[in-house]
Amino acid sequence: QSALTQPASVSGSPGQSITISCTGTSSDVGGYNFVSWYQQHPGKAPKLMIYEVSNRPSGVSNRFSGSKSGNTASLTISGLQTEDEADYYCSSYRSRNTDVFGTGTKVTVL
Amino acid sequence: QITLKESGPTLVKATQTLTLTCTFSGFSLSTSGEGVGWIRQPPGKALEWLALIYWDDDKRYTPSLKSSLTITKDTSKNQVVLTVPNMDPVDTAKYYCAHRSSRWYRGAFDIWGQGTMVTVSS
Repeated sequence: QSALTQPASVSGSPGQSITISCTGTSSDVGGYNFVSWYQQHPGKAPKLMIYEVSNRPSGVSNRFSGSKSGNTASLTISGLQTEDEADYYCSSYRSRNTDVFGTGTKVTVL
Repeated sequence: QITLKESGPTLVKATQTLTLTCTFSGFSLSTSGEGVGWIRQPPGKALEWLALIYWDDDKRYTPSLKSSLTITKDTSKNQVVLTVPNMDPVDTAKYYCAHRSSRWYRGAFDIWGQGTMVTVSS
């Protein structure tokens, strides 16, 4: 099954805001509010950052926020910090009771 | 506190069957709403959702591998097993298991295991 589409890389300077997009279809991102975002540092397991489009689990910084418009979901990191440098993956429920991940985005802090 | 840990062979030969076990604590798969999923990640590549099993034995598989994957649970042992037959070198990846609840953090995997690297030799 085809993955959700994310930009390969996004970069920003410390303190800036960046946004990562996640584009799907009406059968996944556009059709359901079960979009989540994960942060993965090298050699580590993914960490849940956003669930149900815009909700943050306890302990996740409020610098991370999520939104959705049509078939595209977005993750915004405000006040970019060096520790935010990582790979980020979106995920969505897809019709027929499966999930799908995005292609992944490497965030670089300049 | 929920924890999960994957175990299984680190090296398998092509055409062999891979059996991975996820041993967890901090929740029970006999409790309504609880689930465990499997996700894999080839070296340097993206995450791939594989399978998911819920407390009521509801099983879900990625369509591309649905005919081959098998996910089962052993509630008494707090374990979930994933079987992947006919392994190929392209199946070389780190395999993760992760916790899913239909009651909170819905649609997401909130806790992940450390992952186990599986290499398939030709």
